[in-house]
Amino acid sequence: AQKVTQVQTEISVVEKEDVTLDCVYETRDTTYYLFWYKQPPSGELVFLIRRNSFDEQNEISGRYSWNFQKSTSSFNFTITASQVVDSAVYFCALRSGNMLTFGGGTRLMVKP
Amino acid sequence: EAQVTQNPRYLITVTGKKLTVTCSQNMNHEYMSWYRQDPGLGLRQIYYSMNVEVTDKGDVPEGYKVSRKEKRNFPLILESPSPNQTSLYFCASSFARDWENIQYFGAGTRLSVL
Repeated sequence: AQKVTQVQTEISVVEKEDVTLDCVYETRDTTYYLFWYKQPPSGELVFLIRRNSFDEQNEISGRYSWNFQKSTSSFNFTITASQVVDSAVYFCALRSGNMLTFGGGTRLMVKP
Repeated sequence: EAQVTQNPRYLITVTGKKLTVTCSQNMNHEYMSWYRQDPGLGLRQIYYSMNVEVTDKGDVPEGYKVSRKEKRNFPLILESPSPNQTSLYFCASSFARDWENIQYFGAGTRLSVL
């Protein structure tokens, strides 16, 4: 069985602060894919990034960056200089075989 | 425009009254899936389909049925809804060839069972 854990249920920051959302996963498969999705208050799910299990290279996209570490089974997401528009629920997900497993989500509140 | 369309967006019903939530995609995706979202639990997979006439259970299939008679459609059926099925439901689709493929989600259906 596979599992994704997001221990931070809610995070509150003030605008312009940096914030890191943690994600830890469990799987017995050697080939798998990791994803981050954003769910803004409007409710839709927006894809942010994917990473496969053979590619541990970190990635930066504007104010977003992701740190994938196989040794600790973690795929953490950092927002630099947070903005109010970043307020949302963020989900980490693991796809292995036919199933996509989500973590419980982290609600990020960015205050002006 | 590439999209996954769910209907209805909001539904209030009573215990035991059969209902169907429709899902349609226009991207020729083989893989389609249903999830339910509950506070603190994230999204949990109900059923998925690898292609026409091929369906399989996810993590929480009890109380749900699905069918895949056409590639574009994947309806979710609740034969006898109960209050514990009150939730936010999402349909998703992707190409099945590679597991790295992104799943595209519908806008969600908020269901309340009284």
